[in-house]
Amino acid sequence: QVQLQESGPGLVKPSETLSLTCTVSGGSISSYYWNWVRQPPGKELEWIGYIYYSGGSGGTDYNPSLKSRVSISIDTSNNQISLKLSSVTAADGAVYYCARNLGVLPFLFDSWGQGALVTVSS
Amino acid sequence: EIVMTQSPVTLSVSPGEGATLSCRASQSVSSNLAWYQQKPGQAPRLLMYGASTRASGIPSRFSGSGSGAEFSLSISSLQSEDFAVYHCQQYNHWPPTFGQGTKVDIK
Repeated sequence: QVQLQESGPGLVKPSETLSLTCTVSGGSISSYYWNWVRQPPGKELEWIGYIYYSGGSGGTDYNPSLKSRVSISIDTSNNQISLKLSSVTAADGAVYYCARNLGVLPFLFDSWGQGALVTVSS
Repeated sequence: EIVMTQSPVTLSVSPGEGATLSCRASQSVSSNLAWYQQKPGQAPRLLMYGASTRASGIPSRFSGSGSGAEFSLSISSLQSEDFAVYHCQQYNHWPPTFGQGTKVDIK
């Protein structure tokens, strides 16, 4: 059973860069879409983006609303997926989840981390 | 992007009773609709995909229906562990989008 665990600073200052890591255990990091999804307090879930890796190659895709500020990368040697979101504001405060896709559908999420709460404040 | 609207916002149900939750898309998403269950302090859990296919380990008291732009999730006899927030999500159009959730609480 795959397990996902998010980690990173819980407090980020406005205008700085939010950085989170998702560590994957109990399963392969290859041939899956690794997504980031966030949930601001009291609001709906929002898809941030994904990275796909297979056989040494892969790709990324980002929500157009965040595309200019977001970057997702993968470290296959440590089974980790990283999220960076630049120029954060209070509106970026949320619980951030990493999630793995089901089957061949990139946007169907069947395994989730427990989430990392990030607050944006000076 | 596709806007997903769920109703009602809150549904109060007695244990053992049934419940039906609705989800409407701003345009057709075919059958590419998923439902997630989320309990306080926990991540969402995939319940249903393809509008009506139960995910692995999901009990048969959960059923989904609909296609196009109108969908529903039914719970036939609510157990204590079913009181939670339920989110619908479309994955037919890019980017994928979620509804705002329906909270099912104890009456």
